[in-house]
Amino acid sequence: EADIYQTPRYLVIGTGKKITLECSQTMGHDKMYWYQQDPGMELHLIHYSYGVNSTEKGDLSSESTVSRIRTEHFPLTLESARPSHTSQYLCASSDAQGATEAFFGQGTRLTVV
Amino acid sequence: SQQGEEDPQALSIQEGENATMNCSYKTSINNLQWYRQNSGRGLVHLILIRSNEREKHSGRLRVTLDTSKKSSSLLITASRAADTASYFCACDRGSTLGRLYFGRGTQLTVWP
Repeated sequence: EADIYQTPRYLVIGTGKKITLECSQTMGHDKMYWYQQDPGMELHLIHYSYGVNSTEKGDLSSESTVSRIRTEHFPLTLESARPSHTSQYLCASSDAQGATEAFFGQGTRLTVV
Repeated sequence: SQQGEEDPQALSIQEGENATMNCSYKTSINNLQWYRQNSGRGLVHLILIRSNEREKHSGRLRVTLDTSKKSSSLLITASRAADTASYFCACDRGSTLGRLYFGRGTQLTVWP
């Protein structure tokens, strides 16, 4: 069982609201990632981090932002949610060295109404 | 696309049968990984095969890699209803980030 946690698991929220999706890992991993996944589709990398104070945008353009103030914490924020943001958001981490196996959280299913 | 592409998109079999899923990719890789995802959950790492390996086993899982054809296969032997899930291949191109490129997955359904 991976030691990476996402909250909330499910979130239904109205258009225009600000939301923060939480992701924490207790494995001391330097690398962390946020993926967006629509049902039956592939995972798209939207943000990643090499370590504290390091954040980069991924392949898929996203209106969300991330921060990495502590090694174990990598929250994702949407300043103004829209129905187009409805999706599943998956957080993952991996060790900086060695094999690049990724450990995933359980995901947050976001619905914007 | 640099992502892995799984084939078939969906597979439906009876318990006890073997399930084979294939993955093709377009660029050179450092390693290739297979993940499992239960409905609405996160991904769980199953097995990693390096570019200099041709076959790897883990329990009921057997993975092969053919770098000349840029393809990999995942075989689940003696499948169980609990194996029902989506299976994704992920390519590691050896970047500093260690990022993975995922395909769309194969939805496996195992009927009791």
